[in-house]
Amino acid sequence: AQTVTQSQPEMSVQEAETVTLSCTYDTSENNYYLFWYKQPPSRQMILVIRQEAYKQQNATENRFSVNFQKAAKSFSLKISDSQLGDTAMYFCAFIDTSGTYKYIFGTGTRLKVLA
Amino acid sequence: ETGVTQSPTHLIKTRGQQVTLRCSSQSGHNTVSWYQQALGQGPQFIFQYYREEENGRGNFPPRFSGLQFPNYSSELNVNALELDDSALYLCASSPHSENYGYTFGSGTRLTVV
Repeated sequence: AQTVTQSQPEMSVQEAETVTLSCTYDTSENNYYLFWYKQPPSRQMILVIRQEAYKQQNATENRFSVNFQKAAKSFSLKISDSQLGDTAMYFCAFIDTSGTYKYIFGTGTRLKVLA
Repeated sequence: ETGVTQSPTHLIKTRGQQVTLRCSSQSGHNTVSWYQQALGQGPQFIFQYYREEENGRGNFPPRFSGLQFPNYSSELNVNALELDDSALYLCASSPHSENYGYTFGSGTRLTVV
């Protein structure tokens, strides 16, 4: 079975500092996508960043970047220059391309950015 | 371009009742998925619809059913509600064969008492 594990239930970071959220996953598939979603109190899941498994280069979106280690099945999110608006739940998610394109989500990390 | 809209935003039902939740997909999106997010958990896949046909189902009992309409809007129906059905229900849409960046709605918070 495919699983996604986020081992940090809560984290905090000072404004303008850098924080890294961890995620590991398990799959026997070779082709898949990995995502980080942000869920603020408004409840809407917002796509932060996406990584294709066949790409060795780590994805980057402005202040957000990932460290994708395919052999180790690790997919961490680094947030640079943290802002108060980054306060939210962050979910790591996996989707494979072999069947129904359903997300497997982790249990989330609650990030609080402190002023 | 409009996003994914869900209605109602909040709902309270009594155990044993039936409920229908609605979702309007983002314009141009023909694939819609439903997820259940219990408090403190990540979303769990319920089912997916593509061009009005069910395209996959998660580990949910048959009392969870769905529909997709020709305009790609969708409904989630839950019969014989149980207390454990209390959760946030999220709808997500995508163009088929897009690179899997689904757009989510803000969800319907269902409370079963």
